[in-house]
This record gives sequence, C-alpha cells and structure tokens, in this order.
Amino acid sequence: QVHLQESGPGLVKPSETLSLICSVSGGSVDNGYWAWVRQTATKGLEWIGRRHVTGNDVHNPSLRGRVTLSVDRARNEISLTIDYVTAADTGIYYCARDTGLVLPRWLDVWGQGTRVVVSS
Amino acid sequence: DIVMTQSPDSLAVSLGERATINCKSSQSLLHRSNNRNWLAWYQLKPGQPPKLLIYWASIRESGVPDRFSGSGSGTDFTLTISNLQAEDVAVYYCQQHFNTPVTFGGGTKVEIK
Repeated sequence: QVHLQESGPGLVKPSETLSLICSVSGGSVDNGYWAWVRQTATKGLEWIGRRHVTGNDVHNPSLRGRVTLSVDRARNEISLTIDYVTAADTGIYYCARDTGLVLPRWLDVWGQGTRVVVSS
Repeated sequence: DIVMTQSPDSLAVSLGERATINCKSSQSLLHRSNNRNWLAWYQLKPGQPPKLLIYWASIRESGVPDRFSGSGSGTDFTLTISNLQAEDVAVYYCQQHFNTPVTFGGGTKVEIK
C-alpha cells in the first residue's frame, strides 16, 4: 500500500522560497500522477497542482507562476517549491496521489500533511 | 474556475440520525466523455489527512461505511450520512475535477447534537 510522508522547514520568512518533500513508500513515483493540496485559513482546501514523472504537469493559476513541481525517481520523492511566499501561504500542505491519467481526478492516498508558517 | 458552494457551513445532528450536506457547482460536472459527474467527497478530521469517501459523485471508495452515500447530477450534489456515528464528526468537502484548476467546496462541519 502506498504511503506518503511530507517534510519541510515549518517556518519560512516572507519573500523567501518554501521547499517541501513528499517521500513515497510502498510504491513507485513512476506509477501515476502526484498532486499537492494545501489547507489555509482563508481558502480552505486549495489545489496547487499535479505532476507526472515524465514532466507533464499543471499548476493552479492562482499561485501566479510561483510554483515548481518535480519528481525524483532515484529518491522516490515528489517536491514542491513556492517562491516569494507571503503570510497567505501559511497552512498545512499535503501531497496526494491523483488517480487520473490524462486529466486530474480524485485523490485517493494522502500524506499526513506538514504545517508551514510564513513569518519573519 | 468552477466555484463549488457547500451548504450548510455547519450542522449538528443527533447520533443515529441523518446528516445531509449539499454542494453546488457553478457549471455542470456531467462529462460527455463517460456520462459521469466529475465530483468527489472527502472527510477531514483534525490531525488527519483528508479521506476520500465518494468519487464519480456516487461511488463509495473501498472501505468506506455504507452509511455514506453520494447523489446528484449536473450542478447539484448531496452527501448523506445515515445513522450518524460519533466518529463521523469532521469537516466534509466536495471537489470537482471537471476542469483545472481542481476546486473544492468551502467545507461543512458536522457535529453531534
């Protein structure tokens, strides 16, 4: 059974870059699409984007090009970076498996989530 | 973006009674490619990751108790929790994947009366 575990810095200063890792166990990152979702106080659950190991990815335009998604096959990890963070980026960040192939679908496996606070 | 509007924001239901959560989308989620509604439901409890309950609007995910059911089509959908149990206290979200960006409803908090 696939298990996901996010990790990250916890605290990031405004205008800096947030970097998160999602470690995949019980399966390979080669098999499927991987998504990031965050839970914020203002927007509830917000879809950040998804990516396949082949590089096919799509992001939420609301993040205005600040997002980079990548998949590391050697480490069996998925990563998320968000540039120029503000307090609005504070929240719980989840990685999840997207059951869709060509198009996004529902997310059937989720990590526990990692809390990120943006503050000086 | 497709806007997902849930109602009510919260509800309190007695144990063993029925909880009904509504979700309305700003456009139809019925996809011509497979004649299915591209909508899912999740349960979110504090300190736990979201849990997939329902996909294609009405199909229960494996392992989800049959007291959870989804219905609706087009723009109006319902999640029903029959025979509410204490462990069902949570926030429930609908999600559309008809278009990108994928969007979620604002959530409905279910409590015990």
